[in-house]
Amino acid sequence: EAGVAQSPRYKIIEKRQSVAFWCNPISGHATLYWYQQILGQGPKLLIQFQNNGVVDDSQLPKDRFSAERLKGVDSTLKIQPAKLEDSAVYLCASSPGSGVAFFGQGTRLTVV
Amino acid sequence: DQQVKQNSPSLSVQEGRISILNCDYTNSMFDYFLWYKKYPAEGPTFLISISSIKDKNEDGRFTVFLNKSAKHLSLHIVPSQPGDSAVYFCAASDGGGGADGLTFGKGTHLIIQP
Repeated sequence: EAGVAQSPRYKIIEKRQSVAFWCNPISGHATLYWYQQILGQGPKLLIQFQNNGVVDDSQLPKDRFSAERLKGVDSTLKIQPAKLEDSAVYLCASSPGSGVAFFGQGTRLTVV
Repeated sequence: DQQVKQNSPSLSVQEGRISILNCDYTNSMFDYFLWYKKYPAEGPTFLISISSIKDKNEDGRFTVFLNKSAKHLSLHIVPSQPGDSAVYFCAASDGGGGADGLTFGKGTHLIIQP
């Protein structure tokens, strides 16, 4: 069974630039999450989708972050404009509804 | 305010011995707990979970214990193997075992020494 796919693996941008990350969840998983993991911390939930609807985006900095999940499958997370403190690993995860989330390899973002 | 706490940033254990990783939580609404394992440059991998209606769950070398009154859970690995060296994250959910977002601790770096 194919896992959660994310791209790119690495991205370096200058502050105030924009960046987008892509995620393809495990086939058939209705729930998709984006997490942010800052160095030395555990992953922090940014947004949760159920099919193509947003379930929880309470921790998403909406002035600069946006996410969408068109057609209830793939998802993109965008940051515009990026700040230095956005440097982190962005993890996408999906779940069939069992409570267990399956994670992709993540995208390591460095903002300089 | 951290709702899930892993107070040991690192733990060193000799190969073959028992590894015990601890986790405390503050939110009494949490009812589902998970342990994830993470290697460098990879995403977290699910290891084992436990519902709040149980106090123990076992899967091979891995056992998770839950003490609801103390709001404490632990992961036991017996015997510890070199491949167990990784960062272990404790996570919790208040979604009734459903697919709600997880709250993670900061992780414990387990080092298995030969």
